[in-house]
Amino acid sequence: EAQVTQNPRYLITVTGKKLTVTCSQNMNHEYMSWYRQDPGLGLRQIYYSMNVEVTDKGDVPEGYKVSRKEKRNFPLILESPSPNQTSLYFCASSPRQGNIQYFGAGTRLSVL
Amino acid sequence: GESVGLHLPTLSVQEGDNSIINCAYSNSASDYFIWYKQESGKGPQFIIDIRSNMDKRQGQRVTVLLNKTVKHLSLQIAATQPGDSAVYFCAENINYGQNFVFGPGTRLSVLP
Repeated sequence: EAQVTQNPRYLITVTGKKLTVTCSQNMNHEYMSWYRQDPGLGLRQIYYSMNVEVTDKGDVPEGYKVSRKEKRNFPLILESPSPNQTSLYFCASSPRQGNIQYFGAGTRLSVL
Repeated sequence: GESVGLHLPTLSVQEGDNSIINCAYSNSASDYFIWYKQESGKGPQFIIDIRSNMDKRQGQRVTVLLNKTVKHLSLQIAATQPGDSAVYFCAENINYGQNFVFGPGTRLSVLP
C-alpha cells in the first residue's frame, strides 16, 4: 500500500531534550516536506527536499533541522525543543514539486 | 481527535443535502489549486484539483469551481454523507513551484 509513515504519532517531551520524528514514503517520490499545523492556521511549511541531499528552508524553519540521505526517508530533528514547538506535524511527499502531496497521519508533539 | 479545528469556521448541513465550502485565495498569480479533506486524527487527503485554465472540474460527488476574477474557489459536495464530516482546506500553487499556500480550513459537520 502506498503511504507516508510518521513515527511517533504522539510525543511528550521537555524543553531542551533533542528529538527526531521519522518520516518514510514507499512511493519513490522525489519531493518531501514537513509542515506544522496550529489551531486556526493553515499548514505552514518547515523544510522541504527536492531530492536526496537537497533540502531547503520553508516558511518556519527556526528550531528545526532535516536530512535526506535516502530517497524514502526525511526525518525532522528538533535539537533543543521549546514550548512554542508544541504542534501537530505532518510529513508529505509528492512525485515532484508542485504536484499533489500525500500526507502522513501526523505527529502530535507537546513540549513541556 | 486532534485539536486542529478549534477556531475554524463551521458549516453544518443535513445528511443528503448539498454542501458548498468556500476558499478565498491570496495570489492572483496562482495557477493550480487543490482541495484536501482532513478527518479527525488523520492527515490531509487529496480530494480534487483544478488548474487555472479551467473554471470547473467534477469528480465523484464533488465539484470544484474557480473564479479567478475574485480569487475564489469553492468545493461542492453532493448528497452529503456522515463520512464527509471533516475539515476541508484549499491549497494554491504558482507555476509548479515547491511551495503551496494552505488556507486555514472549514469544518463540515453533517447532521443526521
